[in-house]
Amino acid sequence: DAGVTQSPTHLIKTRGQQVTLRCSPISGHKSVSWYQQVLGQGPQFIFQYYEKEERGRGNFPDRFSARQFPNYSSELNVNALLLGDSALYLCASSFYSSYNSPLHFGNGTRLTVT
Amino acid sequence: SQKIEQNSEALNIQEGKTATLTCNYTNYSPAYLQWYRQDPGRGPVFLLLIRENEKEKRKERLKVTFDTTLKQSLFHITASQPADSATYLCALHGSSNTGKLIFGQGTTLQVKP
Repeated sequence: DAGVTQSPTHLIKTRGQQVTLRCSPISGHKSVSWYQQVLGQGPQFIFQYYEKEERGRGNFPDRFSARQFPNYSSELNVNALLLGDSALYLCASSFYSSYNSPLHFGNGTRLTVT
Repeated sequence: SQKIEQNSEALNIQEGKTATLTCNYTNYSPAYLQWYRQDPGRGPVFLLLIRENEKEKRKERLKVTFDTTLKQSLFHITASQPADSATYLCALHGSSNTGKLIFGQGTTLQVKP
């Protein structure tokens, strides 16, 4: 079975630009979460979507937005990029939306903002 | 505010020994705690989930304990192998009705042959 797939794997953008990251969950998983991981730190929660509805939002500015499609895939959008947005962006899927449902992560999109 | 702390310094041990990693938390009363493994350039991989009333859970060479009084979880790898070298993350749930996890910063384990 295919795991969580993310695209692109690497991305270089300039300050002020906009970026869209994509995620396909494991087949049958209805929950998708997005995390940001800065080098040397643990992942930090950005969003969770379940059945196309937002279930949670982390402490990120409104420049960050996301959505989930009918096939449960998801996109993360970041507008007006800042240098500090440079990080590994991880997508994770799970069958349920609750906290006792282990997360299955993709290998992330490495975003570099110059 | 809620805080999770893991040893920031790398843990270096000899092959065959038991590795013990620590996760401490404050201002928190989680019902569940999870451990993940992360290799360089890869996403975290789920290892174990332990409930607050389980105290201890095992999976092959892995053992996790959960002490809600000390607000601490210990993660043990017995008979460690060089292939166990990775960063290990503990995670606690952020709210009861979502899957939001709050991760520690991770501890890097290096097992030397």
